[in-house]
Amino acid sequence: KAGVTQTPRYLIKTRGQQVTLSCSPISGHRSVSWYQQTPGQGLQFLFEYFSETQRNKGNFPGRFSGRQFSNSRSEMNVSTLELGDSALYLCASSLGQGGFTDTQYFGPGTRLTVL
Amino acid sequence: KQEVTQIPAALSVPEGENLVLNCSFTDSAIYNLQWFRQDPGKGLTSLLLIQSSQREQTSGRLNASLDKSSGRSTLYIAASQPGDSATYLCAVRPGGFQKLVFGTGTRLLVSP
Repeated sequence: KAGVTQTPRYLIKTRGQQVTLSCSPISGHRSVSWYQQTPGQGLQFLFEYFSETQRNKGNFPGRFSGRQFSNSRSEMNVSTLELGDSALYLCASSLGQGGFTDTQYFGPGTRLTVL
Repeated sequence: KQEVTQIPAALSVPEGENLVLNCSFTDSAIYNLQWFRQDPGKGLTSLLLIQSSQREQTSGRLNASLDKSSGRSTLYIAASQPGDSATYLCAVRPGGFQKLVFGTGTRLLVSP
């Protein structure tokens, strides 16, 4: 079974631009979560989507948004990029049924650099 | 607010040693706890998941324990190998949804 895939793997943008990142979950997984990883703040939860609906959201500004499609693929968008948005963005997929053993599986990440 | 701390932040050991990584969390109301491994610049690989009702889980040379009441988990690595060198992260799932709260990580270096 194929793992979680993320595209692109690397991105370089300038301040003020916007960016869209894509995540394809493991087949059969309906939940996709996004995380931001920086050296200073570590791994922080952005949001989770399940069946095309945002189910949970972290403490990030409205510049960070996402969506999920009917095939469970998800995109994350960051508008008006700031230098502090430079990070590794990870997505994770799971069955999303809320069970105690529902494991999250992570993709390789997208490295975003904002100049 | 759930906070997760890992000690030590970094650890360097010679090959063959048994070692213990520590994770502590402030709120004992968790669904489960996962241990992950992250290689430099890469994504996270799930190592072990312990349900809130369980005390430990084992996979090969890895053993993870959970003491929910005291807010602690340990990851025991037996007979460490250079290939074990990576950053180890623990994460708790506070509730029914999929949000994970991560610790700060322990960077492990196993030298031949």
